[in-house]
Amino acid sequence: QVQLQESGPGLVKPSQTLSLTCTVSGGSISSGGYYWSWIRQHPGKGLEWIGYIYYSGSTYYNPSLKSRVTISVDTSKNQFSLKLSSVTAADTAVYYCARALGWAPYFDYWGQGTLVTVSS
Amino acid sequence: EIVLTQSPGTLSLSPGERATLSCRASQSVSSSYLAWYQQKPGQAPRLLIYGASSRATGIPDRFSGSGSGTDFTLTISRLEPEDFAVYYCQQYGSSPLTFGPGTKVDIK
Repeated sequence: QVQLQESGPGLVKPSQTLSLTCTVSGGSISSGGYYWSWIRQHPGKGLEWIGYIYYSGSTYYNPSLKSRVTISVDTSKNQFSLKLSSVTAADTAVYYCARALGWAPYFDYWGQGTLVTVSS
Repeated sequence: EIVLTQSPGTLSLSPGERATLSCRASQSVSSSYLAWYQQKPGQAPRLLIYGASSRATGIPDRFSGSGSGTDFTLTISRLEPEDFAVYYCQQYGSSPLTFGPGTKVDIK
């Protein structure tokens, strides 16, 4: 059973960089076949896909966030990470990491989510 | 970008009733690459349906999906108490991946 767990600061100051890590257990990122993804949900709102990464390092980002997003992977630690720069209060959200099937990217496994608040 | 619209926004029903949720896309979703998720308060979404009509592992057969092109439907044949939640559709036929705004199914 694949499990994903987000970690990182719950509070980030405006204009700074939000950094989160997702640790995967029960399966290897290096085995291929999946996109490792970040999705966010603003309080009381719907879901927004941020982007995903393949184990090889290939990345795909939502154009609405592309200029501020970097997703990276560390296969030795079985982790992948999100960096979102120049954050504002509008980036306050629950951030989820999730696994998407490589050939048809729907999300079959999700982390529990972590709330990140942007505030001074 | 494909915009997904879900209706109704809220569906008030009683346990045992049938729920019919709609998801409409602003353009055709290729290969019926449409998924449905269930989300309960404080929890991550759970995959119910992929490929418009295939149930994910462990999903009860009271959940069914149908549709193609721009119009998709999630049907819950008989609502159980644990089915009251918010339901989202998601298209994965083109980038960026997008989700609908959700339909809340609450207890009447």
